[in-house]
Amino acid sequence: EVQLLESGGGLVQPGGSLRLSCTASGFTFTPYAMSWVRQAPGKGLEWVSTIGASGGSTYYADSVKGRFTISSDKSNNTLYLQMNSLRAEDTAIYYCAKDMTQWLETLDYWGQGTPVTVSS
Amino acid sequence: DIQMTQSPSSLSASVGDRVTITCRASQSISNYLNWYQQKPGKAPKLLIYRASNLQSGVPSRFSGSGSATDFSLTISSLQPEDFATYYCQQSYTTPITFGPGTKVDIK
Repeated sequence: EVQLLESGGGLVQPGGSLRLSCTASGFTFTPYAMSWVRQAPGKGLEWVSTIGASGGSTYYADSVKGRFTISSDKSNNTLYLQMNSLRAEDTAIYYCAKDMTQWLETLDYWGQGTPVTVSS
Repeated sequence: DIQMTQSPSSLSASVGDRVTITCRASQSISNYLNWYQQKPGKAPKLLIYRASNLQSGVPSRFSGSGSATDFSLTISSLQPEDFATYYCQQSYTTPITFGPGTKVDIK
């Protein structure tokens, strides 16, 4: 059974940093792209970032480019999102999601999400 | 960026009703269109991929159709567990973008 478990969320001041983790089980990372998607309180879904199956290709939404970094450790099936220079508008639940393909296309499994609150 | 719109934004329906939600893309996306269901406090769940393919384990009362810019999700006979918010998502190009959602609640 595919499972994704996010951790690392919490309360952080504006300008601060957080590192989110997503531990996967029930499948191996290698053939699939992995993504982060967020949802601000009471709002819709917003794609944040994707790392391709090879790990060599990364993609970012304009809203986080230059501040967030996606990475993965295939040896322990863990996805990361390093978030720097956080802003109030980054407040959201952050979901880790597995793609059906090696590229960014269809998110077939999602974690339960980890909340991030940016506030002073 | 490709903009996705959905209609209606919300609807009220009864158990057993046939429900159709539409999604429109700001440019042609071929069949690169997915549908997700989200219940309150839960993660989204994939229902339909590539416009018309039913994800494994999803009941057959869900179906998708469309191509280019106009798509639809149909629930043939609404069940109590189907009351949720539904999002379309284009995967034709980066950034992938989601529609604003359609909330289906009980009449």
